[in-house]
Amino acid sequence: DQQVKQNSPSLSVQEGRISILNCDYTNSMFDYFLWYKKYPAEGPTFLISISSIKDKNEDGRFTVFLNKSAKHLSLHIVPSQPGDSAVYFCAASLNRDDKIIFGKGTRLHILP
Amino acid sequence: DGGITQSPKYLFRKEGQNVTLSCEQNLNHDAMYWYRQDPGQGLRLIYYSQIVNDFQKGDIAEGYSVSREKKESFPLTVTSAQKNPTAFYLCASSITAAGSNQPQHFGDGTRLSIL
Repeated sequence: DQQVKQNSPSLSVQEGRISILNCDYTNSMFDYFLWYKKYPAEGPTFLISISSIKDKNEDGRFTVFLNKSAKHLSLHIVPSQPGDSAVYFCAASLNRDDKIIFGKGTRLHILP
Repeated sequence: DGGITQSPKYLFRKEGQNVTLSCEQNLNHDAMYWYRQDPGQGLRLIYYSQIVNDFQKGDIAEGYSVSREKKESFPLTVTSAQKNPTAFYLCASSITAAGSNQPQHFGDGTRLSIL
């Protein structure tokens, strides 16, 4: 059973516009959420995170929103740039251990 | 520069052979992890270790083994019992133990293929 779900396998966005990547989770005990970015043949790199006590965290062009009642989080990238083309993984963890559970990823294409 | 080094980048194995993937980190992180990624799949946890000389099975540990004799090293052996070993293997580390909510840092991965 997938605890972290990214239902869109791919997304195409025009350069300069906003990219919105979505993620749903099933376990209400998750208290920490992360987004990773991955280029082909490389390891994922940490992008941004949010604790369950917050509903928004912003870092430059990246903002993560958390809606606990809906068990939903989203990553907003604005403005989108060509270098943002990558696979984005949503991940979640429980405070009591270090295991991080990943979604299947969404491939973002930034169109010129 | 501190980081995680996985070697080799590409690895080929004959059926029936064991093969060991290397992972070394100089970040002074306590916790280390192994994941595999298959096309269209997320990262699935194979094994993780929160401290030297201790490790736990992840979600897909069958056919794999690990050791954690040193803090900086966490090698993964893919045994002949692993029926579908062809995948992209990622090693990661994080600062410390439970409750820290620290992000994991990843190596660049090893792609294992069966000949």
